[in-house]
Amino acid sequence: SQTIHQWPATLVQPVGSPLSLECTVEGTSNPNLYWYRQAAGRGLQLLFYSVGIGQISSEVPQNLSASRPQDRQFILSSKKLLLSDSGFYLCAWSVRGQGRAFGYTFGSGTRLTVV
Amino acid sequence: EDKVVQSPLSLVVHEGDTVTLNCSYEVTNFRSLLWYKQEKKAPTFLFMLTSSGIEKKSGRLSSILDKKELFSILNITATQTGDSAIYLCAVLNNNDMRFGAGTRLTVKP
Repeated sequence: SQTIHQWPATLVQPVGSPLSLECTVEGTSNPNLYWYRQAAGRGLQLLFYSVGIGQISSEVPQNLSASRPQDRQFILSSKKLLLSDSGFYLCAWSVRGQGRAFGYTFGSGTRLTVV
Repeated sequence: EDKVVQSPLSLVVHEGDTVTLNCSYEVTNFRSLLWYKQEKKAPTFLFMLTSSGIEKKSGRLSSILDKKELFSILNITATQTGDSAIYLCAVLNNNDMRFGAGTRLTVKP
């Protein structure tokens, strides 16, 4: 069965520090991968999605970046965190191929607090 | 610009009440609409709707899609305290899934 792992679960980082959140998927190949952010009391905002190794699409201009060094690994990074980067970050995956995506499966999320 | 709008943003009811959550959308290349329930961490899947007029049911929850008027509703009958959560509506198109802001439902005993 497919599983998605996301870590760390919580993170407190000072302003200006770097960030690296990791997400890995097991039990599937060639997944579509996504990073979402959820600000307090708000819906999920798509940050990045990837349809393959090295293929990253950015939805929102910001000081965050994403990379996909391996088929089932998706990394969210920042060189210098801002206070506004605080939020709940969710990684998700879906089956590659249009019409077959039965919604997305989400990781357990990372709650990031920038202080 | 694609958008997904949910209403109300928050709702407080008592156990046993019936609630209706709304989701309207404007999305290019629409494929399907999904409802998720988010309690503490990751959203969990409830329904995926692709065709108009076909009601999906799961216990006390049901949902229907109107592709002509571009909206969906999620009904919860005989609410329980365990239904308290944020309910997220999302629309899937060719590239990704767009989420609404969510409806925060609080069910009081």
